[in-house]
Amino acid sequence: ELKVEQNPLFLSMQEGKNYTIYCNYSTTSDRLYWYRQDPGKSLESLFVLLSNGAVKQEGRLMASLDTKARLSTLHITAAVHDLSATYFCAVQRFSSGSARQLTFGSGTQLTVLP
Amino acid sequence: DAMVIQNPRYQVTQFGKPVTLSCSQTLNHNVMYWYQQKSSQAPKLLFHYYDKDFNNEADTPDNFQSRRPNTSFCFLDIRSPGLGDAAMYLCATSRDPPGSSGGAGDTQYFGPGTRLTVL
Repeated sequence: ELKVEQNPLFLSMQEGKNYTIYCNYSTTSDRLYWYRQDPGKSLESLFVLLSNGAVKQEGRLMASLDTKARLSTLHITAAVHDLSATYFCAVQRFSSGSARQLTFGSGTQLTVLP
Repeated sequence: DAMVIQNPRYQVTQFGKPVTLSCSQTLNHNVMYWYQQKSSQAPKLLFHYYDKDFNNEADTPDNFQSRRPNTSFCFLDIRSPGLGDAAMYLCATSRDPPGSSGGAGDTQYFGPGTRLTVL
């Protein structure tokens, strides 16, 4: 059974600071996603990471993937209040009918304080 | 714009009264998914359709059913909602053409969700 663990679960940080969210998974997978979710809203896709060593950056967020360590990181640079949200990593694998299923981590609730 | 639409956005039902949630997509994707997300938890996959093929997760209660009458629409039926079924229900789609490999084309696109309250 595929397990996906995120840490920390809760993160409060000051504006302007840097921090990293970690996502570990238990078995080999096809690809890894990072999603953002604002309170009461749906999931917004941030990054998809396809191979070992993949790095993607968008604004103050950078995601990386180490498939050998089964680890992905989401690095936040110089945080701003608008980044406050819950961030989920999700690991994708083949399943029946060739459709690919997502298994989500527990999420990291990020609060950026002024 | 191509998108995933869910109706209604908020649904209130009574304990034991059947309810149907709706999802439609203009992306022409092959796969449609239903997730349940309870407060402060990760989304949990209930089932998915790959074209017309229904795939149920092993731990999805029998109380939850789904229908996909055509490519664009997928419905979630809760036959006898209990208080524990109150949650946000998310519909998602992915392209997933048969035999695809590589690329980022299988990203799941989520609808805005339907928040279900059970009284």
